[in-house]
Amino acid sequence: SQTIHQWPATLVQPVGSPLSLECTVEGTSNPNLYWYRQAAGRGLQLLFYSVGIGQISSEVPQNLSASRPQDRQFILSSKKLLLSDSGFYLCASHGSSGGETQYFGPGTRLLVL
Amino acid sequence: AQSVSQHNHHVILSEAASLELGCNYSYGGTVNLFWYVQYPGQHLQLLLKYFSGDPLVKGIKGFEAEFIKSKFSFNLRKPSVQWSDTAEYFCAVNTGFQKLVFGTGTRLLVSP
Repeated sequence: SQTIHQWPATLVQPVGSPLSLECTVEGTSNPNLYWYRQAAGRGLQLLFYSVGIGQISSEVPQNLSASRPQDRQFILSSKKLLLSDSGFYLCASHGSSGGETQYFGPGTRLLVL
Repeated sequence: AQSVSQHNHHVILSEAASLELGCNYSYGGTVNLFWYVQYPGQHLQLLLKYFSGDPLVKGIKGFEAEFIKSKFSFNLRKPSVQWSDTAEYFCAVNTGFQKLVFGTGTRLLVSP
């Protein structure tokens, strides 16, 4: 089965600072990769997905961007964080070896002050 | 746009009580439906899924869900809950490219 690593686990950042969250996947190749966010009191919202290296689709307009420099690496970034960027960020993978199931990472809790 | 509604945000039950968590979706096409669970301190993990066939699907740990197409529903059930079922439960719909649309989640607390 797939294993997804995310770091850091928790992050506190000031408004206006940059952000870089990393996600790496083991146990599959050429997966579809996803970034979700869960804000307080809301469900999981899909932010970005990628079907391959360098291919990023954005689901909602926002202050964030994503990149996929390697097959099993997915990065979430921001140049200047906003208070509204606070939330719980989850990386997910759906690969050829995983059937129809998405696997989720442990998540990163981001607090922007 | 597709959406998923979970009507119960917080549920508190005693052990051995029966559980039913509601999930309704809005999507006119063919759907794949999922229930995910997040136990305290653990990753989000798949509980069960429906793609086609028998609308009553069974998952791990004694959970089951019934897909009722006419009602656009996919409710989660368990006849007798345990303290270890305390978790947050998410209903989700697959809208293509395995892009999941999630409900807001239901926090279940089972008291011993």
